[in-house]
Order: sequence, then C-alpha cells, then structure tokens
Amino acid sequence: DAGVIQSPRHEVTEMGQEVTLRCKPISGHNSLFWYRQTMMRGLELLIYFNNNVPIDDSGMPEDRFSAKMPNASFSTLKIQPSEPRDSAVYFCASSLVVPGRYGYTFGSGTRLTVV
Amino acid sequence: QKEVEQNSGPLSVPEGAIASLNCTYSDRGSQSFFWYRQYSGKSPELIMSIYSNGDKEDGRFTAQLNKASQYVSLLIRDSQPSDSATYLCAVNPGGATNKLIFGTGTLLAVQP
Repeated sequence: DAGVIQSPRHEVTEMGQEVTLRCKPISGHNSLFWYRQTMMRGLELLIYFNNNVPIDDSGMPEDRFSAKMPNASFSTLKIQPSEPRDSAVYFCASSLVVPGRYGYTFGSGTRLTVV
Repeated sequence: QKEVEQNSGPLSVPEGAIASLNCTYSDRGSQSFFWYRQYSGKSPELIMSIYSNGDKEDGRFTAQLNKASQYVSLLIRDSQPSDSATYLCAVNPGGATNKLIFGTGTLLAVQP
C-alpha cells in the first residue's frame, strides 16, 4: 500500500495567487481529513469528509479556503487568494470507517510558503 | 481552556530511562484516545490507541487512560535516542464525529 499521497511536497507562491493541494487517500478508507500545522497552533482540523461528503468544515479559516472530494480516491484543498499567514504544513489523512476506533494515517504533507 | 493540553517540553531523559508523557482533555464525553509520534520534518505516525480505562501495553510503550480524571499518558520504557521526537495526544470527542482533536505535542529528547 502506497499510503496517503499528497502533492506537491513543497509549494512557494506569491501572495494573491491560487494554491491547490492534492491528496489521494488509502484505498478502502472512507474518511478523509485536512489538517494544518504551525508552530504556534499545532495541528488544526480544517475539514473532513465521510464517503466523499463534507461533514465538518468548521475549521476552515475563511471563505478563501475550499475543499472538494469528487470521488473516493481524490481530494483537493484550494486557497484563493493566498496570504502569507496561510504559510504552514498541510496534512491530509485518511481512516477506515469505524468512527473513532482507528487512528488516521497521515500523508507526507505539503509545506506551503506564501511570500 | 484548550480541548487537549500537553506540556510542550522539552522533556529530557537519559537513555534507558522511562519517559512519561501526559495529556489532559476537556470533553468528558470523549471516547477514543491516540498517541502519535512526529519526527522533525515528518508526518505524525500512530503508535498507540486506547479506548478503556486502565493500561494498554505494546512493546516498550504503555498507554494509560483515566476517564474520571480526563487524563491520558504514555510511558516509554528503556528510552532510546531514536525515540526523540514530538509526541502528540489526540482525542476523539465521541458522538457522531470521527474527527480527532490534537494537543500541541511534547518534545522528548533522549540523551545518549
């Protein structure tokens, strides 16, 4: 199993540009989570999906952030327009269906730098 | 009050000693508890899960849960320099959600 696959690994962009982060969950997992990690705030949940349906997006900081999961094997997190305060490591994670009974498997993350 | 609290450390222990990492949580209805290890520049990896009060052992790791005190801990026996990492406590709030709330982590440094 290739694990959770995220791309790109690193992204440097200018303020105001659109950024799209991509995630492929582990096959058979039907929950997908987007987290953001910073030194100051740690790991923050942005949004999660069950069976491709967004369940909780209360962590999405503002309307500049959007996430989609068009099918069971792909999700995107988009920031438009990007700002320097969005600089962080963005992790995607997936898990099996039994709520709370299995921990997540994280992808390698995307390190985003907005200049 | 943060939902999941951990001492940020660093916690420094000599090689071969027992490292004790602690975590408290605020939601009394929380059902499931996890410990993740994160090496610098890497992603978190699951090392232990615990769902019932008491101790759960896996190799050199022991997770302890006390729901009445809303307290979770991780003991690492015979600590090795390779255990040096940040340890993240994560809590599932229960109910219909399967999200995890993470603490900010404790940095463990095992001195050779």
